Amino acid sequence: DAGVIQSPRHEVTEMGQEVTLRCKPISGHDYLFWYRQTMMRGLELLIYFNNNVPIDDSGMPEDRFSAKMPNASFSTLKIQPSEPRDSAVYFCAVSGSKQETQYFGPGTRLLVL
Amino acid sequence: DQQVKQNSPSLSVQEGRISILNCDYTNSMFDYFLWYKKYPAEGPTFLISISSIKDKNEDGRFTVFLNKSAKHLSLHIVPSQPGDSAVYFCAAGAVFGNEKLTFGTGTRLTIIP
Repeated sequence: DAGVIQSPRHEVTEMGQEVTLRCKPISGHDYLFWYRQTMMRGLELLIYFNNNVPIDDSGMPEDRFSAKMPNASFSTLKIQPSEPRDSAVYFCAVSGSKQETQYFGPGTRLLVL
Repeated sequence: DQQVKQNSPSLSVQEGRISILNCDYTNSMFDYFLWYKKYPAEGPTFLISISSIKDKNEDGRFTVFLNKSAKHLSLHIVPSQPGDSAVYFCAAGAVFGNEKLTFGTGTRLTIIP
């Protein structure tokens, strides 16, 4: 069973551009999480879904950030417009239930110039 | 407000010696705790966990200790091996809360051969 797949692995863009990060979760896991990793704040939870429904988006920093999960096998995190302070590594993770281990994808390293 | 704190951003340990990574938390609702390990260009992977009904959990070379009164946990690795060089994240969750995990900022462990 392949792990969580994220694309692209690296993204370099200019300030003001739209950025879309993609995640293909492991099948059979009902929860999907989007995290952002920075040196200063470590791993921050942005939003999570249960059975494709957004449950908690309180970690989304601004209205410039949005996330969707149209079906169980795909999720996107969009930043529009992007800013240099959005530069970070973004991770998608899944779990089967509460308390269960979360399985992370390899991350997307985003650099906004 | 960081509810999970890892105050040492880095740690260097001689191969064969014990590595001790520390984590403090402030939210008394947290009742299960996990350690994740992260190699460069990869997502974090689960290492070991402990629930608040225990004060110690051991898995091979890895042992996690929990001191609930001090709101402190630690990860012991003994003996340390070069392959243990990675960033270690402490995470906490609440059994009767939601599915979120709160992560610390991470500690970079370097094992010196």
